[in-house]
Amino acid sequence: DMKVTQMPRYLIKRMGENVLLECGQDMSHETMYWYRQDPGLGLQLIYISYDVDSNSEGDIPKGYRVSRKKREHFSLILDSAKTNQTSVYFCASRATNERLFFGHGTKLSVL
Amino acid sequence: QQQVRQSSQSLTVWEGETAILNCSYENSAFDYFPWYQQFPGEGPALLIAIRSVSDKKEDGRFTIFFNKREKNLSLHIKDSQPGDSATYFCAASLGAQGLTFGLGTRVSVFP
Repeated sequence: DMKVTQMPRYLIKRMGENVLLECGQDMSHETMYWYRQDPGLGLQLIYISYDVDSNSEGDIPKGYRVSRKKREHFSLILDSAKTNQTSVYFCASRATNERLFFGHGTKLSVL
Repeated sequence: QQQVRQSSQSLTVWEGETAILNCSYENSAFDYFPWYQQFPGEGPALLIAIRSVSDKKEDGRFTIFFNKREKNLSLHIKDSQPGDSATYFCAASLGAQGLTFGLGTRVSVFP
């Protein structure tokens, strides 16, 4: 069906709480990404996963970690969330022709 | 330093006109240049892409003009329609390292 699904769509957390953002894809793509989008800053790359348990830092990894135990699932974890991590988070998976498929995003507010 | 730069934050055109969005990049090793279209509340979606071995790519009303020597490219939207109103991101990549995005150009097409 060529879909990237992100859960949840909206999330409100208090500063210091742990946050788990989940992403799934049904295309068996090896490579997946997490981006965050902020007004005026565009899309910034947080982490790359090349396959199960093969992850690499992107441009802004500080304060985040990831987990990929199955090819179709890629999670982003914020341990002790901070207010400056309020953002919209996008997961994407990469096809062999380099096309990225993005999810609808998770809007995270850290109060 | 912004690796991918879009020259305008916003652009307004009338229905039927050609919208021209400009983009430049720093890293001469980039070899793949997609444009992504994003509507409010959705993730970006691939609109059209070009590889550095080509100087032009056309897909319906959308055309990319690419100048490798000058390290710039442009997206032309011919016969603009109100439904084309969206934010357009220029991006660049080298292999599977992840796309580097520009900050986006918000296009408004008025009838």
